[in-house]
Amino acid sequence: GAVVSQHPSWVICKSGTSVKIECRSLDFQATTMFWYRQFPKQSLMLMATSNEGSKATYEQGVEKDKFLINHASLTLSTLTVTSAHPEDSSFYICSARKARGGSGANVLTFGAGSRLTVL
Amino acid sequence: AQSVAQPEDQVNVAEGNPLTVKCTYSVSGNPYLFWYVQYPNRGLQFLLKYITGDNLVKGSYGFEAEFNKSQTSFHLKKPSALVSDSALYFCAVILTGGGNKLTFGTGTQLKVEL
Repeated sequence: GAVVSQHPSWVICKSGTSVKIECRSLDFQATTMFWYRQFPKQSLMLMATSNEGSKATYEQGVEKDKFLINHASLTLSTLTVTSAHPEDSSFYICSARKARGGSGANVLTFGAGSRLTVL
Repeated sequence: AQSVAQPEDQVNVAEGNPLTVKCTYSVSGNPYLFWYVQYPNRGLQFLLKYITGDNLVKGSYGFEAEFNKSQTSFHLKKPSALVSDSALYFCAVILTGGGNKLTFGTGTQLKVEL
């Protein structure tokens, strides 16, 4: 089955530093990956769509200079939280789509998430 | 704009009893509807989806959901709940041609007790 690996699962950093989160599709190629943010006891908010070989598409209200997304290959997308502040503390989740057709069509596979705590 | 609503923040059920987690949707076109489950500090796991065809969709772990176009609902059900079903459940929708951008409901915490 489709597996998405996300690393690190937990990260604590000081205010002002940058943090990189990796999202890898382990057994399939993903031309598109999605990055979500989830606050405690709240739903997932789509931050951006990561497109392999091109610029990410950000949702309204998401600062592209704050949340840098790079989709360097068909199996890797990275989210870098630049100059992190305590309000950036959250649970970040990535997802990828396995296939365009068949029973897996339109089903997104999610990573296990990365919990960021900014002190 | 497309949206899904989960009217219940929490649902409590006794083990062995049937469970229902409610979801209603609002879209202007034909919806693709999904249910995902999230365990603490984990990503989301796919349960089932409705794209087209039979209104009753069967998914993982004994869950099923019924697409009701007239009521714009897609409630999640299971005939006999297990304690291990306790988790956070999300309903989600994609518009046809929406590029796989999932819009999630606010989530419903399911608690199954002995």
